[in-house]
Amino acid sequence: EAGVAQSPRYKIIEKRQSVAFWCNPISGHATLYWYQQILGQGPKLLIQFQNNGVVDDSQLPKDRFSAERLKGVDSTLKIQPAKLEDSAVYLCASSFTSGRGTYEQYFGPGTRLTVT
Amino acid sequence: AQSVTQPDIHITVSEGASLELRCNYSYGATPYLFWYVQSPGQGLQLLLKYFSGDTLVQGIKGFEAEFKRSQSSFNLRKPSVHWSDAAEYFCAVGAASGTYKYIFGTGTRLKVLA
Repeated sequence: EAGVAQSPRYKIIEKRQSVAFWCNPISGHATLYWYQQILGQGPKLLIQFQNNGVVDDSQLPKDRFSAERLKGVDSTLKIQPAKLEDSAVYLCASSFTSGRGTYEQYFGPGTRLTVT
Repeated sequence: AQSVTQPDIHITVSEGASLELRCNYSYGATPYLFWYVQSPGQGLQLLLKYFSGDTLVQGIKGFEAEFKRSQSSFNLRKPSVHWSDAAEYFCAVGAASGTYKYIFGTGTRLKVLA
C-alpha cells in the first residue's frame, strides 16, 4: 500500500514570496490533515478536511495561508506572502473514517520550508 | 481542553539498556492515545495506539506502552534499546469523537550511546 505522498521535499524562498505544497493521501482515506512543525516542537494542526469539506481550520493563519481539497483526494496548502516565522516542516497526514469514527493518522515525509 | 506533556526533552541511554519515555495528558473523557517516532528528515511513523481494552499495548520495533487512567499517563517502554532507536518520539492524544483532532506533545529526543 502506497503511503502519503508530499512534494516538494524541500523549498527555499524569500520572505513575501508565495509557495505551495502538495499532498496525496493514502487511497480510501477520507480525512486529510496539514500540520506545521517548527524546529524543536511537536506538530501543530493547521487544517483538517473530511472529503472536500473543512472540519477544523481554527489554527490556520487565514490572512496568508490557504488550503483546498477540491475533489476530496489530493490537497494543496499555499502560503502567500511568506514570513520568516513560516520556516518549518509542513506535514500532511491522512486517516480512514467510517461510521464508527476516525482511526490513526498516517504521515507523509513532510516538506521542509526555509524562508530567508 | 486537550493537552499533552512530555517532561523529558532529551534522554540518553546506552545500547542494550531499558527505556521509558513519559507522557501525561489532560482530556475530559477517555482519549485515544498514540506514540509516534520521527527520524531526522522523515515524517512521523506510528509506533502504537490505544483506543480501548487492554491497557498494555504492544507496538512495532519492540515498543510497548501502558495506559494508566488514574495517573493520566501513557508511558512508552522498551526493554533493550538499539542504536537505530535514536530519534524523536512524540506522544499524541486524540479526541474519540467529534473532529478526532490530535494534540501532540513537544517530543523527547532519544540519544543512544554505543
